[in-house]
Amino acid sequence: DQQVKQNSPSLSVQEGRISILNCDYTNSMFDYFLWYKKYPAEGPTFLISISSIKDKNEDGRFTVFLNKSAKHLSLHIVPSQPGDSAVYFCAASPNTGNQFYFGTGTSLTVIP
Amino acid sequence: DSGVTQTPKHLITATGQRVTLRCSPRSGDLSVYWYQQSLDQGLQFLIHYYNGEERAKGNILERFSAQQFPDLHSELNLSSLELGDSALYFCASSPTAGYTEAFFGQGTRLTVV
Repeated sequence: DQQVKQNSPSLSVQEGRISILNCDYTNSMFDYFLWYKKYPAEGPTFLISISSIKDKNEDGRFTVFLNKSAKHLSLHIVPSQPGDSAVYFCAASPNTGNQFYFGTGTSLTVIP
Repeated sequence: DSGVTQTPKHLITATGQRVTLRCSPRSGDLSVYWYQQSLDQGLQFLIHYYNGEERAKGNILERFSAQQFPDLHSELNLSSLELGDSALYFCASSPTAGYTEAFFGQGTRLTVV
């Protein structure tokens, strides 16, 4: 049972525009959420996180939004750059904090 | 470079065999996590160790086992291997037992033939 879902397997965006990646979860016990970026032949790299006490967290060009009532989070990248082309995974952790549940990933392509 | 080292990078073995994957966490990290990524799948959580103790178990098969040693490195043992065990196996580490990001190694690609 996939508790974290990324329903868009791929996304293409023009350089300079906004990229919006979406993630839905089903488990109301999740209270810590993360986004990871993955390049081919490398391990996932941490990007940004948010705890359930917040609804927004920003780090440079990256902003994560959390809508707890809808069990939905999104990652905004503004402006998008060609180097952002990668697979993006969202992950969620229950209040025990001991394990992460990952989505299946969204492949982002930023077109120069 | 995340600071997490996984060996070997690639492994090809026959069905029925047993293999051991090794992970050295970042310096100072007490937690080690193991994940499996099969083709077109997300990362599936297998097991979490904190300072030598098992903290959480995910969808880990009975044929698989893991441990974390006093020097904090960890090993994932896979036995009676089947074709379906072919996957990327990632190790990740973090300083604490939760509520913090984990840092991933480059993975071990296991191919069972």
